[in-house]
Amino acid sequence: KAGVTQTPRYLIKTRGQQVTLSCSPISGHRSVSWYQQTPGQGLQFLFEYFSETQRNKGNFPGRFSGRQFSNSRSEMNVSTLELGDSALYLCASSLESYSYNEQFFGPGTRLTVL
Amino acid sequence: GQQVMQIPQYQHVQEGEDFTTYCNSSTTLSNIQWYKQRPGGHPVFLIQLVKSGEVKKQKRLTFQFGEAKKNSSLHITATQTTDVGTYFCAALSYNTDKLIFGTGTRLQVFP
Repeated sequence: KAGVTQTPRYLIKTRGQQVTLSCSPISGHRSVSWYQQTPGQGLQFLFEYFSETQRNKGNFPGRFSGRQFSNSRSEMNVSTLELGDSALYLCASSLESYSYNEQFFGPGTRLTVL
Repeated sequence: GQQVMQIPQYQHVQEGEDFTTYCNSSTTLSNIQWYKQRPGGHPVFLIQLVKSGEVKKQKRLTFQFGEAKKNSSLHITATQTTDVGTYFCAALSYNTDKLIFGTGTRLQVFP
């Protein structure tokens, strides 16, 4: 089976812009979770989508949003980018609930905000 | 809110030495997962622990879940250079459905 794929792999944006990141889970996996990884804050949970519904949400501002399509592919959107949004954004897929099942992570999207 | 602390933050060992990282939670846990992230890579699932006092082994790696289900440890026997990376625990508390990642322990192994 193909692994989790994320596009794009690298992105450079300026403050105030918005960005959309894409994640394709492993075939058959229904749960997609998103994480923000920074050197200072570590791995922070953004949200989980399951069967096109947001099932869980971390403590991030409303500028961070996401959605999941019927084929389980997921997108994450960040509006009005701030310098502090520079990070590695990881998505992970799992068969069922992300919190009780092995998560398979993608390679991540490295976002730099200038 | 739930806090998950990992110690130590960094560990440098000589190849062949043992290594242990500890994960401590402020609340009782439903389950705990362990992940390894190589430099420049993404987290890779190692194991999940569910039962109180559970011990699981994977070759040179030994994982333990505390009796009170508030802490866990990962022990590596006779480290190798391939063990280099950051080890994360991810804990699920009984009173939340959010998986909280620990701060990670970065392991460096010198040949």
